[in-house]
Amino acid sequence: QVQLLESGPGLVKPSQTLSLTCTVSGGSVSSGPFYWSWIRQHPGKGLEWIGYVYHSGNTFYNPSLNSRLMISLDTSKNQFSLNLRSVTAADTAVYYCVRWDCSGACHSDYWGQGTLVTVSS
Amino acid sequence: QTVVTQEPSLTVSPGGTVTLTCASSTGTVTSGYYPNWFQQKPGQVPRTLIYSTTYKHSWTPARFSGSLLGGKAALTLSGVQPEDEAEYYCLLYYDGAWVFGGGTKLTVL
Repeated sequence: QVQLLESGPGLVKPSQTLSLTCTVSGGSVSSGPFYWSWIRQHPGKGLEWIGYVYHSGNTFYNPSLNSRLMISLDTSKNQFSLNLRSVTAADTAVYYCVRWDCSGACHSDYWGQGTLVTVSS
Repeated sequence: QTVVTQEPSLTVSPGGTVTLTCASSTGTVTSGYYPNWFQQKPGQVPRTLIYSTTYKHSWTPARFSGSLLGGKAALTLSGVQPEDEAEYYCLLYYDGAWVFGGGTKLTVL
């Protein structure tokens, strides 16, 4: 059974970098054909796709976040991470890490429980 | 900026049928947008119900089905159950990036 667990600071100051890690168990981040993604949900609002990293390390980002965003793999720790620079209050959200299985038609199959990140001074 | 539009809210009676739709600001939604549908209940993590227009997960109840309808992606619930009351989100693919719709709050009443 694959499990994903988000970790990172729950509070980030404006203009700083939001850094989250997703630890994967029951599967390898370096195995294909999986995409490892981040999705967020602003409080009381809808979902927003942030981006993902392929098992090869290729990345795809939300164009609206692209200039501030980096998603990467750490195969030695079986983790992937999110770094979002220059945050503002608008980045306050629950952040989910999600696995996408692209062995056939791509679909998300495993989600983390989500972690709330608040941007505030 | 691409916008994906869903009905903000719908109400259906138990046992009834309801169709939720998902439109793209770029025009007609085709299978090439690989429509996904997610269900989220209060306090819970979203879960995928439908992907690539019509495919179901192993956990997707048979009463849920996906299709393309009138230039949009559609999610139809037939024989609605009280436990289907939830927020439903569609997700469309645009050349390497994905965009969520704003969600439809489905009330079973």
